[in-house]
Amino acid sequence: QKEVEQNSGPLSVPEGAIASLNCTYSDRGSQSFFWYRQYSGKSPELIMSIYSNGDKEDGRFTAQLNKASQYVSLLIRDSQPSDSATYLCAVNFSGGYNKLIFGAGTRLAVHP
Amino acid sequence: GAVVSQHPSRVICKSGTSVKIECRSLDFQATTMFWYRQFPKKSLMLMATSNEGSKATYEQGVEKDKFLINHASLTLSTLTVTSAHPEDSSFYICSAKGSGGSNTGELFFGEGSRLTVL
Repeated sequence: QKEVEQNSGPLSVPEGAIASLNCTYSDRGSQSFFWYRQYSGKSPELIMSIYSNGDKEDGRFTAQLNKASQYVSLLIRDSQPSDSATYLCAVNFSGGYNKLIFGAGTRLAVHP
Repeated sequence: GAVVSQHPSRVICKSGTSVKIECRSLDFQATTMFWYRQFPKKSLMLMATSNEGSKATYEQGVEKDKFLINHASLTLSTLTVTSAHPEDSSFYICSAKGSGGSNTGELFFGEGSRLTVL
């Protein structure tokens, strides 16, 4: 069974701190990994994509991928209250029509 | 990024009626579109994959006769919830995969449609 696991949280961090979000997946053949941010009542928006082992940085966001351990993480530096949202990890499982399987999401709360 | 538009954003209907939700790719051609549903505080559940000009592929447990999907053009897919019941109330979100470029799996999401069945 194709699975994507995330800690549901909430993860509470103070403003300015680093928020660390983690995700594990079951399909060793997966090649594409995504982090989406979803505000309450809205649809997901893409934050980061990562395809190779290692780190990928974009502004305050860093995605980290370790295919051997089958985990992907998202670091948010200098967290802001506006970062408070649910972060969804999505994995493009091997085979099929590139359909994304989503984790349950981690709710992040950044408090002033 | 690419723009996907979904309509209506909210719909309230009576039990037993049918509701159609449209998903359009505005600035690119979407050969493949995906329909998800999301219950409150839950993750997105993939319902079906539709490819332009062919029948949709439904995920296990999704009733294809209840959730009719049509992908008649490269810019439009529709989801029709037939004979809706209160348990069908949910947030339905479409997404699209572009027709060109690398096969990385990145999806562009519509704004979502919140269906409430009375």
